[in-house]
Order: sequence, then structure tokens, then C-alpha cells
Amino acid sequence: DGGITQSPKYLFRKEGQNVTLSCEQNLNHDAMYWYRQDPGQGLRLIYYSQIVNDFQKGDIAEGYSVSREKKESFPLTVTSAQKNPTAFYLCASSTGPHMNTEAFFGQGTRLTVV
Amino acid sequence: RKEVEQDPGPFNVPEGATVAFNCTYSNSASQSFFWYRQDCRKEPKLLMSVYSSGNEDGRFTAQLNRASQYISLLIRDSKLSDSATYLCVVIAGNTGKLIFGQGTTLQVKP
Repeated sequence: DGGITQSPKYLFRKEGQNVTLSCEQNLNHDAMYWYRQDPGQGLRLIYYSQIVNDFQKGDIAEGYSVSREKKESFPLTVTSAQKNPTAFYLCASSTGPHMNTEAFFGQGTRLTVV
Repeated sequence: RKEVEQDPGPFNVPEGATVAFNCTYSNSASQSFFWYRQDCRKEPKLLMSVYSSGNEDGRFTAQLNRASQYISLLIRDSKLSDSATYLCVVIAGNTGKLIFGQGTTLQVKP
């Protein structure tokens, strides 16, 4: 089935460790996005990529890094520089930001720092 | 000022009620607009796109007012299953960013 897959669903990290969240899509979408959601809050944009080998910072990029070496993959690394990383992370993809089409979401990864 | 703003609510309404949500956006170059629904601890899912001419899908009606830079969602004959958070989404025309509002929480009570 076509879709967007995030893994793992739950992730626990010790303070000071980097961790990488996976996001894969087989929808042949050009654009991919990473969001962070805190309890009772909306989605805040971390990074986005409109095409392979290119990405831009969103509103809260500090302490995060991404890569877009393949069209179908957009992994997010939460570094030790991120002061408050415990949150729900959502990855999305769409055909392209200028195509007036919806974005599809993965099921999310809940990251907890212990 | 936030790029996309919504009243977070919560809106508590009885079954059968009609309820309306508004969302304002600041970037006049915005070109695409959507309403998403998010259930507790789940990912957002598309409810409907919003077109300049307005569009309707069953009990749901979405409208866009470019002059005033807001979009609206009207839910008629509310069901218990409509209880969720409704997210307004805007694609910023000059950057291509997909920007979400804070979300409006709806609780439909029997």
C-alpha cells in the first residue's frame, strides 16, 4: 500500500544523546516536512524539503538536523543541543508545495527523554 | 503575530448543533488552504480543501475570504464522533511552507 511510514512509534533517549527518527514515503512525493507537537499545542515546523538534496529550516530548527539524499526518505536527527526534545514528532509529504494538494502524515514518533 | 491563528476553544456543543470555526492568516501570498482533523494522540488527517468558491462535503462547509484573509469551517448537525481538534492549514505562496494553526478543540456532548 502507498503511504508514509515513521519509525519507531515510541522512542526513549537519555539526555545528551543524539537520536534519529525515520520517515519514508512511497507516494513519489517531492515535498516532505517535519513537525513537532507538544501537548495541547499545534504543529510547529522544524524542517522541510521541496526536492531531493535541498531543505530549509522551519520555525524551530535549532537542535535538529535533516538530510534528503533520496526522494523517499527524510530522516530527522534530534541532537543533544535540543534543550527540550520530549514531544510528538510528525512527518508529512505532499506532491509539492505549489500543487494545491493535501499533505499526508505518518503515524508519528513519541520521543521521551529520560 | 502568528502566521495562522485559530481560537483554541474548547467549543462544547450539544448533539445536533451547528458550530463554526474561523482561521486567519497573515501572508497575503498564501495560495492553498485546508482543514485537517486530529484525534487525540493521532496524526492529522485531511478533512477538506478550501476553495475560493467555497465547498461543501455533507455536513461540512468550508469557505475562503481572501480579502479579509480568513477561512471558515461550518459543521451542521454535530455528531458525537465530530469531537476532535480541527486544524487550519495554509501553504505560504512565497516559501512553500505548510503552516498549521494551533487547532480548535470541539467537544460534542449528548
